[in-house]
Amino acid sequence: NAGVTQTPKFQVLKTGQSMTLQCAQDMNHEYMSWYRQDPGMGLRLIHYSVGAGITDQGEVPNGYNVSRSTTEDFPLRLLSAAPSQTSVYFCASRDRPMYSEAFFGQGTRLTVV
Amino acid sequence: TQLLEQSPQFLSIQEGENLTVYCNSSSVFSSLQWYRQEPGEGPVLLVTVVTGGEVKKLKRLTFQFGDARKDSSLHITAAQPGDTGLYLCAGAPETSGSRLTFGEGTQLTVNP
Repeated sequence: NAGVTQTPKFQVLKTGQSMTLQCAQDMNHEYMSWYRQDPGMGLRLIHYSVGAGITDQGEVPNGYNVSRSTTEDFPLRLLSAAPSQTSVYFCASRDRPMYSEAFFGQGTRLTVV
Repeated sequence: TQLLEQSPQFLSIQEGENLTVYCNSSSVFSSLQWYRQEPGEGPVLLVTVVTGGEVKKLKRLTFQFGDARKDSSLHITAAQPGDTGLYLCAGAPETSGSRLTFGEGTQLTVNP
């Protein structure tokens, strides 16, 4: 069972470069989210989606774009990478009810130099 | 300011000791969840509490949801080294619909 698949696992970018973090889920979940995790900050919500074609901003959306053209995929784009975006990024998916379990990918460790 | 405040942020104890982790907010939640995260992995769900005052037990772990649905606690009895990890509470406030937000986490280390 694949669950939530994130690629790549590791990435080093130079300041100003752009890139896309990929996230795919095979559980037919409507809700998908992107989080970043920094030491002592837990998980902070970047963007989320409640279904194909619908996205909304989370707590820390600046510098990131998302789109949701299919139920399965939810890519996160860094437009112009900055050192402050050095972090571990997690994608999650879950079913509609608010008490549903969130399933996470293994994370992408991004370093911006 | 985090919507969910966890305390303590770090906890280092000896095997066999008991501990409690707290998750507090000024907002009302329809449900709260507790996740555990190991290094290099994503968080994994431990439990969901839905009803105010609810208590759930998972072996040596006891979870409680506050009567007003604004806070929760995780109590571990006779901690073991295998309990070491990052514990995160999470929830969606009743006013925010589908946004699942997390606390800062509690890093627990249980020494043999």
